[in-house]
Amino acid sequence: AQKITQTQPGMFVQEKEAVTLDCTYDTSDQSYGLFWYKQPSSGEMIFLIYQGSYDEQNATEGRYSLNFQKARKSANLVISASQLGDSAMYFCAMRDRTGNQFYFGTGTSLTVIP
Amino acid sequence: GAGVSQSPRYKVTKRGQDVALRCDPISGHVSLYWYRQALGQGPEFLTYFNYEAQQDKSGLPNDRFSAERPEGSISTLTIQRTEQRDSAMYRCASSRVSGGITDTQYFGPGTRLTVL
Repeated sequence: AQKITQTQPGMFVQEKEAVTLDCTYDTSDQSYGLFWYKQPSSGEMIFLIYQGSYDEQNATEGRYSLNFQKARKSANLVISASQLGDSAMYFCAMRDRTGNQFYFGTGTSLTVIP
Repeated sequence: GAGVSQSPRYKVTKRGQDVALRCDPISGHVSLYWYRQALGQGPEFLTYFNYEAQQDKSGLPNDRFSAERPEGSISTLTIQRTEQRDSAMYRCASSRVSGGITDTQYFGPGTRLTVL
């Protein structure tokens, strides 16, 4: 079964607008971590933001915030004030206690339109 | 400090040849992970080390794939008798501590392997 589901293969957003990238996850663990990574066309994997399952507040890092809804098992990434440099592939990932690995989704390709 | 480095960045080989992919993690990082990423997909776990000990190799596709980290730092992923289906981006990641839910993995630039 898929541990991480990203249902938006591609998204477009106007420069300076906000955009939400969806991510739902599947785990029976109570303790887990959720991560978002950015992969620009250069191919790097850049860590953006982390949310722990016990964190009461939604995580924020600059223009990135994570809309964490535990009951719905969703961890959507919100990018505010989009910039052209935000155009990239975005991956949601989870780590739980069933293994040491990260489970990744299939990614969402974001294009920022000037 | 320096990030995770991988070499070579690109490798083209003929079917049946062996290849060795190298990963140099962030200095002091305990854990090292190998992933494979097909085009248009997210990274898929291959194997994982704490220090020099291979803790989990459940993601290695078959016995042609092996990995080592003999001194707890640099790691080598070896693919023997390569096949065309092995063509992919191979990524290495390292993390500061082991086994932690909060432990962020930092990725290297990857090695693009093409098997002709």
